[in-house]
Amino acid sequence: EDQVTQSPEALRLQEGESSSLNCSYTVSGLRGLFWYRQDPGKGPEFLFTLYSAGEEKEKERLKATLTKKESFLHITAPKPEDSATYLCAVQPRGGGGADGLTFGKGTHLIIQP
Amino acid sequence: NAGVTQTPKFRVLKTGQSMTLLCAQDMNHEYMYWYRQDPGMGLRLIHYSVGEGTTAKGEVPDGYNVSRLKKQNFLLGLESAAPSQTSVYFCATQTAGALHTQYFGPGTRLTVL
Repeated sequence: EDQVTQSPEALRLQEGESSSLNCSYTVSGLRGLFWYRQDPGKGPEFLFTLYSAGEEKEKERLKATLTKKESFLHITAPKPEDSATYLCAVQPRGGGGADGLTFGKGTHLIIQP
Repeated sequence: NAGVTQTPKFRVLKTGQSMTLLCAQDMNHEYMYWYRQDPGMGLRLIHYSVGEGTTAKGEVPDGYNVSRLKKQNFLLGLESAAPSQTSVYFCATQTAGALHTQYFGPGTRLTVL
């Protein structure tokens, strides 16, 4: 059974204070690992897809990295508008790429001005 | 270009009532998905479809039915609603094949009394 565990559950940072969110996963062959951002009352918004260990992707203040067992979402010098819940999800290999995603519970990030 | 839309945004039902949630997309994606999101849990896959006229069960299919009569629409039905189906429901779409991203709609908040 595929599993995704995110830590911490909640994180409060001061504006400008860099940190990392963790996503540990077990999957029967990884097709892709996805990071989403979710604002209150909204649907998940796509951030990154990572496909193989060693891969890194960046977008503004966010950088996602992937190993064979976990992924990190690094946030550098965050701003209050980065406050959101960050979701990690995996898609297993097989199924022709049509399989649903297995999600973690998310990390609720608050950036204080 | 609306992307993925969901109707209605909010709904309150009484136990035993029935309803249908509509997901519509204008991205010409082949795959469509229904997830539910509950407090303290990750998003969980209910049903999905890889094309017009096809559907498949996900992780938590009991109590729900789906239909995909047109490529752009995916319907989620509750024949006899139960309080355990109180949740936020999200639709997602993905283009066919591997290495593609799922894009989510804004969600429907359903309360069953």
